[in-house]
Amino acid sequence: DVKVTQSSRYLVKRTGEKVFLECVQDMDHENMFWYRQDPGLGLRLIYFSYDVKMKEKGDIPEGYSVSREKKERFSLILESASTNQTSMYLCASSLKASGGENIQYFGAGTRLSVL
Amino acid sequence: QKEVEQNSGPLSVPEGAIASLNCTYSDRGSQSFFWYRQYSGKSPELIMSIYSNGDKEDGRFTAQLNKASQYVSLLIRDSQPSDSATYLCAVRVYYGNNRLAFGKGNQVVVIP
Repeated sequence: DVKVTQSSRYLVKRTGEKVFLECVQDMDHENMFWYRQDPGLGLRLIYFSYDVKMKEKGDIPEGYSVSREKKERFSLILESASTNQTSMYLCASSLKASGGENIQYFGAGTRLSVL
Repeated sequence: QKEVEQNSGPLSVPEGAIASLNCTYSDRGSQSFFWYRQYSGKSPELIMSIYSNGDKEDGRFTAQLNKASQYVSLLIRDSQPSDSATYLCAVRVYYGNNRLAFGKGNQVVVIP
């Protein structure tokens, strides 16, 4: 089974803190994704990576950065946390296959509260 | 136009009935379509994928795809209380390097 592990289920941080959210997958997937999910807004893509050290902006990259130094690990960084970044953060991974086999598998999510 | 739209509000169905969910998409080049189920407080889990026009059945779930009309639907037969969840439609964006565009989801409540 595919396993996508997010380092924390719940996180409480203060405004202005630097926050690291970690995600590790064990299926040798090329692609990794970071989303946030808010009521009424659905899943929104923040950043994704299709290879080590490669990254692309998603729909809402402002206020976030990412790091992918190893294939299995994709980190989301909030440089200076703000209250409007309080959200559920979801990591996902998938194969790079060009056909249909690019199913995204999700981690359990990190519920971040910024006070 | 949004990439993926799920317009229906919360859907309440009696136990044992059929729940029907619809989704439309804007990218005519899309080839891969997915339905995810998300329980409250949990992460999305894949329940169906479909790539060709027509129907695909898996247990009590049937996905239907019509590329000409750009819609994909999900039918849940013999609905059970455990089917109460939010269902997300996702479409692989043709130009997007394997990214998925998600709809906002439809909440289904199965009433015993």
